[in-house]
Amino acid sequence: NAGVTQTPKFQVLKTGQSMTLQCAQDMNHNSMYWYRQDPGMGLRLIYYSASEGTTDKGEVPNGYNVSRLNKREFSLRLESAAPSQTSVYFCASSAEEGNNSPLHFGNGTRLTVT
Amino acid sequence: EDQVTQSPEALRLQEGESSSLNCSYTVSGLRGLFWYRQDPGKGPEFLFTLYSAGEEKEKERLKATLTKKESFLHITAPKPEDSATYLCAVRKAGGYQKVTFGIGTKLQVIP
Repeated sequence: NAGVTQTPKFQVLKTGQSMTLQCAQDMNHNSMYWYRQDPGMGLRLIYYSASEGTTDKGEVPNGYNVSRLNKREFSLRLESAAPSQTSVYFCASSAEEGNNSPLHFGNGTRLTVT
Repeated sequence: EDQVTQSPEALRLQEGESSSLNCSYTVSGLRGLFWYRQDPGKGPEFLFTLYSAGEEKEKERLKATLTKKESFLHITAPKPEDSATYLCAVRKAGGYQKVTFGIGTKLQVIP
C-alpha cells in the first residue's frame, strides 16, 4: 500500500500565481487533513475533512481553499500565492474523526513562493 | 489555550547512551497523546498512542509513558538509525477533536 501520496514533491511559485496540491490515500480512511510545517512552529492545521462531502477550517485557513473530491482525494488550492505561504505542506488521513485513530501523513510538498 | 512543549529541542547521544525526551502538555479533556518520528524530507511516521495516565507502550528501543501533565519517550541503547526528529501531539475531546503538535526534539545518535 502506498498510504498517503502527495504531488508534487517540490514547487516554486511567483507571488500571485495559483496552484493545487494533490493528495490521495488508499487506506479507505474517512478523514483527511492539510497541515503546514514551518521552522520553530510545528505542524498547523489548515483545513480538514471529517468525511466525504464535508470540509472545515483549521487554525490557519486564510489564503487556501480545499476540495474533497471523493473518499480518496483531498486537494489544497492556493489562489494567489504569497511569500508567507512558503512552507512544507503535509496531507494526512485517519480512519475516523470521532474516534482516536492516529493521523497518517504523506511525505509533503515543499513550496517556495518568491 | 492548548499547548504542547517538547524538550530538549535537540539531543546528541553516543550510540548505546540511553536518554529520555519530554513532552509536557496543557489541554482540557485529553483524548490521546501521540508520538511520531520524522526523518528529514519525510512526513511524520506514527509510533504510539497513549490514552491515560500510567499507560506505557514499547516498540524496539523506544518506550513511551504518560502522566497527567507530561509524556516521556525513553530511548534505550540507541543506534544511529534512531536519529530523527520526534514529535509529540495531543488530541482533545470536543466537537472537533483538534490535534496540537509540539515542535519536536531533534535526536542525533553518533556511532
